[in-house]
Amino acid sequence: GAGVSQTPSNKVTEKGKYVELRCDPISGHTALYWYRQSLGQGPEFLIYFQGTGAADDSGLPNDRFFAVRPEGSVSTLKIQRTERGDSAVYLCASSPGYGNTEAFFGQGTRLTVV
Amino acid sequence: GQQLNQSPQSMFIQEGEDVSMNCTSSSIFNTWLWYKQDPGEGPVLLIALYKAGELTSNGRLTAQFGITRKDSFLNISASIPSDVGIYFCAGRGGATNKLIFGTGTLLAVQP
Repeated sequence: GAGVSQTPSNKVTEKGKYVELRCDPISGHTALYWYRQSLGQGPEFLIYFQGTGAADDSGLPNDRFFAVRPEGSVSTLKIQRTERGDSAVYLCASSPGYGNTEAFFGQGTRLTVV
Repeated sequence: GQQLNQSPQSMFIQEGEDVSMNCTSSSIFNTWLWYKQDPGEGPVLLIALYKAGELTSNGRLTAQFGITRKDSFLNISASIPSDVGIYFCAGRGGATNKLIFGTGTLLAVQP
């Protein structure tokens, strides 16, 4: 597609439920990033894929968070046993590849845990 | 989570004024990016910098990659109302080349 696409744009879930957030990167981009942004804060790094593998998952806050990118394109961020503190905007970005390249963002998924 | 120090935190200026903001890191970066974010939207890339000392312009925006590779600056000249938004720096580096963001600068422009 022309840009990074994230679905759904909004998600409301009950505490304790499981959610999946999807990211479709720009076609041909090999690097994919997930960030979490709370109100009034900058994007907080979660995980970074280069191809199918997670190059750096040091930002995942705990083992309830997991992300996959099985074919090196679409990625899914999975959150188990959601907590109210997980409420935030989850942003995805892609870039052409490893190294000094620009990263382009989707519009984000606003997750609200009630 | 890890974030870069960005200042000022907010700026309230008159239309036509120039604006400067900066970002500092304790780590060396090999890329600096500057983004603007409007409410309800994802960050939009404004300028990318790849070499220490590099000075790059995009219209009324000018950004510099600090020679120490630990800082970057963004200047906006002759501000206009549509410049309103939150500006973020982002640096890439380290062993895994991940992209880390600054804390953001909120810019308000009064016509």
